[in-house]
Amino acid sequence: QSALTQPASVSGSPGQSITISCTGTTSDVGGYNLVSWYQQHPGKAPKFIIYEVSKRPSGISNRFSGSKSGSTASLTISGLQAEDEADYYCFSYTSSDRWVFGGGTQVTVL
Amino acid sequence: EVQLVQSGAEVKKPGESLKISCEASGDSRANYWIGWVRQMPGKGLEWMGLSYFFGSDIRYSPPFQGQVVISVDKSRTTSYLQWNSLKASDTAIYYCARQQNYVIDSWGQGTQVTVSS
Repeated sequence: QSALTQPASVSGSPGQSITISCTGTTSDVGGYNLVSWYQQHPGKAPKFIIYEVSKRPSGISNRFSGSKSGSTASLTISGLQAEDEADYYCFSYTSSDRWVFGGGTQVTVL
Repeated sequence: EVQLVQSGAEVKKPGESLKISCEASGDSRANYWIGWVRQMPGKGLEWMGLSYFFGSDIRYSPPFQGQVVISVDKSRTTSYLQWNSLKASDTAIYYCARQQNYVIDSWGQGTQVTVSS
């Protein structure tokens, strides 16, 4: 099971919007609406921010939004803030009844 | 809300065995899966596998099949991750995580495993 493909890094200025892509295949991202996203600050455990492609768990800012087109899912962070600087990972269910993470994207707030 | 508490950091030599644990509390139903995730130094998250508290179903990601053993003690709502012969490349932080409805919704604090001669 290969890791899902994410850009290594994305940057933006405070207040801007950025989008992180997560590309898989029809056996994972493209085959199911079961993509979730996680935020990880240095030295901390990851935190759950999006599930089922576009749903936000309770307590997560509406600045975070998710979408999917074909076998590519995307996470958009709008109104970028300094506290958004972190690593972001996508995670998908697969046709082999397993799960797979993306390689991770480092977000830098300029 | 479930809390996942992992065992403490370990320092081992190559070839030694190790078993780390993850105890779940706060959700008496325990009707969920506990997964394990590896994070090697400076690297991303890798899904290793998971176990179900109320059954015998254990699944492994192909790269980890045969390299580690996941087990569960239902009476203690504890999941374990075990190595029979550690390698230096097993040095990493290992997280346990609750998987429910195809999502990881809770994480343990992580266990640092260091393998060095």
